[in-house]
Formats: sequence, C-alpha cells, structure tokens
Amino acid sequence: AQKVTQAQTEISVVEKEDVTLDCVYETRDTTYYLFWYKQPPSGELVFLIRRNSFDEQNEISGRYSWNFQKSTSSFNFTITASQVVDSAVYFCALTSYGNNRLAFGKGNQVVVIP
Amino acid sequence: DTGVSQNPRHKITKRGQNVTFRCDPISEHNRLYWYRQTLGQGPEFLTYFQNEAQLEKSRLLSDRFSAERPKGSFSTLEIQRTEQGDSAMYLCASGDTYYGYTFGSGTRLTVV
Repeated sequence: AQKVTQAQTEISVVEKEDVTLDCVYETRDTTYYLFWYKQPPSGELVFLIRRNSFDEQNEISGRYSWNFQKSTSSFNFTITASQVVDSAVYFCALTSYGNNRLAFGKGNQVVVIP
Repeated sequence: DTGVSQNPRHKITKRGQNVTFRCDPISEHNRLYWYRQTLGQGPEFLTYFQNEAQLEKSRLLSDRFSAERPKGSFSTLEIQRTEQGDSAMYLCASGDTYYGYTFGSGTRLTVV
C-alpha cells in the first residue's frame, strides 16, 4: 500500500516569511513518482512538480524549492518570501510505476497574512 | 487545448435523485481518472479509463456509481439515488506519470 503523510494541517505565515511543508511517504516500490499540487479556493488542482525515485536532485523554481530525500522518505516543499497569492491548500501525492492511482496526503492549508 | 473541463461546476440535488457529471480531458491523453474529495481531505481515487475501457475501480465506487467513456473521449460519472454522504468535490484528471496528471476544476455536489 502507498501512503502520504502531511502532518501540519494549517500553517499561517506573515507575508515575506518562508514556509516549509513536510511530506513523508511510504511505498514498497523501487520506481515511484512524487508530486506536489496547489489547490486554490477555486478548487482546481494545479500541478507544481513531479519527481521520480531515481532523481534526488533538489529543485528550485522561482520562489518554490523542493528537497527530496530517499533516506528519510521525504519530499518537502518550501515557499520563499511568501505572498498572499500563495494562500491555498498544498497536496503531496505518490504513485508508482504501473500504478494508475495517485495517493494524496491530507494537504496543508497555507494562509499568508498581509 | 484548454486543459481538463468539468461540468457542471456546482450541483445541488435532493436525496434520492440521480446526477450526472461530465469530464472533457486533454484531447491527446488516453488515460482519464475520477477522484472524490471530501472536506479537509485529499482526493481519493475512484476509477480509471484507458481510452474507452474502464480498467480499474476503487472500493469507494459503490453500485450506485457508474462511469463511462464512450469512444475514448469525454467521460461521465453518474450517481444514482444520491445520499448525503455523496456530497463532495468530484475531480477528473487526464495524463500519466510521465506527462503528469492535469486536473479539472471539479464538480461540487451537495445532496440536501
């Protein structure tokens, strides 16, 4: 079975502060894929990043960065210098090669206070 | 292509009524998925299509639920004899692990 744990439910930060969202995953498969999605109040899930299990390089995209560590089964997400537009629910998700289901965590509600 | 389109965006129905939702995936995607999301939870997998074939169904998909994808293009999800517990956001996605999964804006169902 595959499982994703996002421990923090709601995180409030003041604008321009950094915020890190933790994602811990469980899988028995050796080839798997991790994702982060953003869900604004409109409801649509917006794709942010995909990582496969063989690529442990950290990634930076603008104010977003991701830290993938297989040793601790974690795929954490940091928003640097947060803005009000970053207020949303962020989901970490997992699937494996040959699997057609995404397993989602419960999400992190990020509230950026101006 | 404008992404994955879902209709309607909102649906309010009385308990016991039937409802049908539609999903138009990205045209070049062969795979289409339905997920259900309840308040405060992440989306949960319901079912998956490869072209017109429904290849996988979750235990969440009770006998009252049926999904179709005629001709491998758009898909419909029907719920018969709705119950209050069916109130949720129903999300459709297309794509795969290589290209990524693109989700629609969802249909929010409220059963009163």
